[in-house]
Amino acid sequence: DAGVTQSPTHLIKTRGQQVTLRCSPKSGHDTVSWYQQALGQGPQFIFQYYEEEERQRGNFPDRFSGHQFPNYSSELNVNALLLGDSALYLCASSWDIQETQYFGPGTRLLVL
Amino acid sequence: EDKVVQSPLSLVVHEGDTVTLNCSYEVTNFRSLLWYKQEKKAPTFLFMLTSSGIEKKSGRLSSILDKKELFSILNITATQTGDSAVYLCAVFMDSNYQLIWGAGTKLIIKP
Repeated sequence: DAGVTQSPTHLIKTRGQQVTLRCSPKSGHDTVSWYQQALGQGPQFIFQYYEEEERQRGNFPDRFSGHQFPNYSSELNVNALLLGDSALYLCASSWDIQETQYFGPGTRLLVL
Repeated sequence: EDKVVQSPLSLVVHEGDTVTLNCSYEVTNFRSLLWYKQEKKAPTFLFMLTSSGIEKKSGRLSSILDKKELFSILNITATQTGDSAVYLCAVFMDSNYQLIWGAGTKLIIKP
């Protein structure tokens, strides 16, 4: 049973560029949540996708957008990258509104 | 504002010691509290607590929730170097199905 997978594992971009991160949920899960985790901090909720729609959104600007596909996989897009966007981006999957979320290995993004 | 606060922020102990990690919260529409362990990247699920006063146990780890005083503790007995990690506490809110996270406790176990 495959767990949550994310790609790429690492990424280096320059300010102003755009980036797309990908996530495949755990088998049987239909909900994908995205988090940003800065060094030494807990994860910060970006948004959650369910049934191909954004169900909830945290306090992140519109530069952060996402998508969920019919197979429940998801993408996170960040436009006009800033230095402060450098972080570990975590994807977590769950079944609908159940609390227990299972995390992927994350994508480490460095913006220069 | 909804918040979750963990203490201490970091802790260094020797192998064999017992540690207690704390998590307090102030949130609206509380449903449950979850503990995760984060070693390198992905947080891994440890416990979910919904009822006050009922201890959850898994090997040397145990956790309990106090919904009246709004806190939870995570105990690790007979610590091993493999317990070194960041321990994260999160609260799930029924109002928006979000997890609100604490900053974590960085635990270092010295041989």
